[in-house]
Amino acid sequence: NAGVMQNPRHLVRRRGQEARLRCSPMKGHSHVYWYRQLPEEGLKFMVYLQKENIIDESGMPKERFSAEFPKEGPSILRIQQVVRGDSAAYFCASSPEVAGLGETQYFGPGTRLLVL
Amino acid sequence: DAKTTQPPSMDCAEGRAANLPCNHSTISGNEYVYWYRQIHSQGPQYIIHGLKNNETNEMASLIITEDRKSSTLILPHATLRDTAVYYCIVDSTGTASKLTFGTGTRLQVTL
Repeated sequence: NAGVMQNPRHLVRRRGQEARLRCSPMKGHSHVYWYRQLPEEGLKFMVYLQKENIIDESGMPKERFSAEFPKEGPSILRIQQVVRGDSAAYFCASSPEVAGLGETQYFGPGTRLLVL
Repeated sequence: DAKTTQPPSMDCAEGRAANLPCNHSTISGNEYVYWYRQIHSQGPQYIIHGLKNNETNEMASLIITEDRKSSTLILPHATLRDTAVYYCIVDSTGTASKLTFGTGTRLQVTL
């Protein structure tokens, strides 16, 4: 997973605060995916973005969560008014393109969010 | 969506081959089989993927049965650093845009 960068690696927030998680895809990759992993569980897909477009947000909670991937800069996953249940590891992945040809996703190291 | 079934855990002695099975009996013709692993809460690491033919790379080999209903990931010489949770994933969207991770197999490599 060399090349996909996430920051911060650890984030502590109090209930009600906002959390901003950043993801810089691998060089040359224009597709970004966000996943969430709750303690002792597998990764769950949240959202898939291309530059300036949300392609699939079927895994995003309906409220408080949003994601963007601007033309310039990293992808941002924003969680407003965090609650303790948002405590999890959030992983970003990127790929150069998506087609039915077996393209793979490469994951970053994750951001561990702890809500107090 | 095509689902996968994996044993929850396996042990393997260091230096021996680790053979991790996966059942995907509802796989359709254009769905790829992917393998990822996650070492102690790190980001998942891509291992290998295939469609019909067996595949091999520097990390592992992937054996897919002729009817494509099951596959086996082979780590030829397991080391302690291969201890991880291994996920077998079938690309249900046909575009690799939404990987669905199950519970995987927890492989413990021992001395």
